[in-house]
Amino acid sequence: SQQGEEDPQALSIQEGENATMNCSYKTSINNLQWYRQNSGRGLVHLILIRSNEREKHSGRLRVTLDTSKKSSSLLITASRAADTASYFCATDTYNNNDMRFGAGTRLTVKP
Amino acid sequence: EAGVAQSPRYKIIEKRQSVAFWCNPISGHATLYWYQQILGQGPKLLIQFQNNGVVDDSQLPKDRFSAERLKGVDSTLKIQPAKLEDSAVYLCASRTILRGMNTEAFFGQGTRLTVV
Repeated sequence: SQQGEEDPQALSIQEGENATMNCSYKTSINNLQWYRQNSGRGLVHLILIRSNEREKHSGRLRVTLDTSKKSSSLLITASRAADTASYFCATDTYNNNDMRFGAGTRLTVKP
Repeated sequence: EAGVAQSPRYKIIEKRQSVAFWCNPISGHATLYWYQQILGQGPKLLIQFQNNGVVDDSQLPKDRFSAERLKGVDSTLKIQPAKLEDSAVYLCASRTILRGMNTEAFFGQGTRLTVV
């Protein structure tokens, strides 16, 4: 079964704006990851955040994790047309590394 | 560092035929995953290997799907017989553990299967 659920399913913004995507999950986790997938290609890892971490940054990406609410968010600042892709969260359930994905958020950044 | 290799990239078969996909993970990665991704959906975990042992195959339709990872390196995923609903992209991924903690996973480009 799928573990995470992303919200919104689709997001359309203008270049330069910020994009925020959310992920909710059901069971206790060891860590949570965010991946990007361009159309017709494989998934590319963005950030891994562990269950004892609350926030992590990588370039224009900011990820937060709230284990009490079983949710995470991915913020992309100053978006670019090249950020257009699908974004997925994946969780490793506690004591496992089964890496289960949500349905994803389709982000469109208009130039 | 070479990435995860998958072949073939594309495959078209008729329903009831059989098909096999191959994956070569990154050298030294003990964990290997096979996912099925139907268009517009997220990847669905089919099977997870740790070295050559199966960790999780709870979502693998075992009446028609099989997978093996001999010698804990390369892996093959087979479908026999194929159904129309098996049309999807099949993704292979691998990852390792550093200092007792999981690291990021690396994905291959996938095999796009079309069953007609």
